[in-house]
Amino acid sequence: AQKVTQAQTEISVVEKEDVTLDCVYETRDTTYYLFWYKQPPSGELVFLIRRNSFDEQNEISGRYSWNFQKSTSSFNFTITASQVVDSAVYFCALSPNAGNNRKLIWGLGTSLAVNP
Amino acid sequence: DTAVSQTPKYLVTQMGNDKSIKCEQNLGHDTMYWYKQDSKKFLKIMFSYNNKELIINETVPNRFSPKSPDKAHLNLHINSLELGDSAVYFCASSQDPRGAYGYTFGSGTRLTVV
Repeated sequence: AQKVTQAQTEISVVEKEDVTLDCVYETRDTTYYLFWYKQPPSGELVFLIRRNSFDEQNEISGRYSWNFQKSTSSFNFTITASQVVDSAVYFCALSPNAGNNRKLIWGLGTSLAVNP
Repeated sequence: DTAVSQTPKYLVTQMGNDKSIKCEQNLGHDTMYWYKQDSKKFLKIMFSYNNKELIINETVPNRFSPKSPDKAHLNLHINSLELGDSAVYFCASSQDPRGAYGYTFGSGTRLTVV
């Protein structure tokens, strides 16, 4: 079965705190892609990162970092020194790459509130 | 310069009406999608077209009908609107049918049926 689990429904932090959003996925494919998207209160869906299953190197982009661990089937997202503008719903998604799959598998999202 | 544009952004209509949402992408992508996002933010795929061919047709009421006149356009027509159709509808496009490079989304159409 292909599945993405974001166990944290809502997270609330105070500005400047670090926060980690968890994403656990299930797939039997050996080749797949993982994604994070951000949906701010304005409503648009913004692509953040794409990760190939063969590339377990962690990624850092400014205050954002991603930890991909195949051993635990996790692709966690950390925001360092959070800011109010980080308040959004964050979605993790999986693109299996075998068989007849033709769609992303989405998590239910984690709503992050960063309070001043 | 907008990559994926959908219109209208807001749509308020009465039950029973028929309405359309239009989507256009200028990215040269082959695949386009319609997603429905409910009030709990759950993203559900409805349809996908690859080069004008319907490749995903999820279980949605047949009151919903997509149309792709060319690979840059994917419109959504909804007949006999019901209260439960109220949601945000997103158009998206991708380079390939698997979405292996991710999707580019439009800004969404907030449909309210009263």
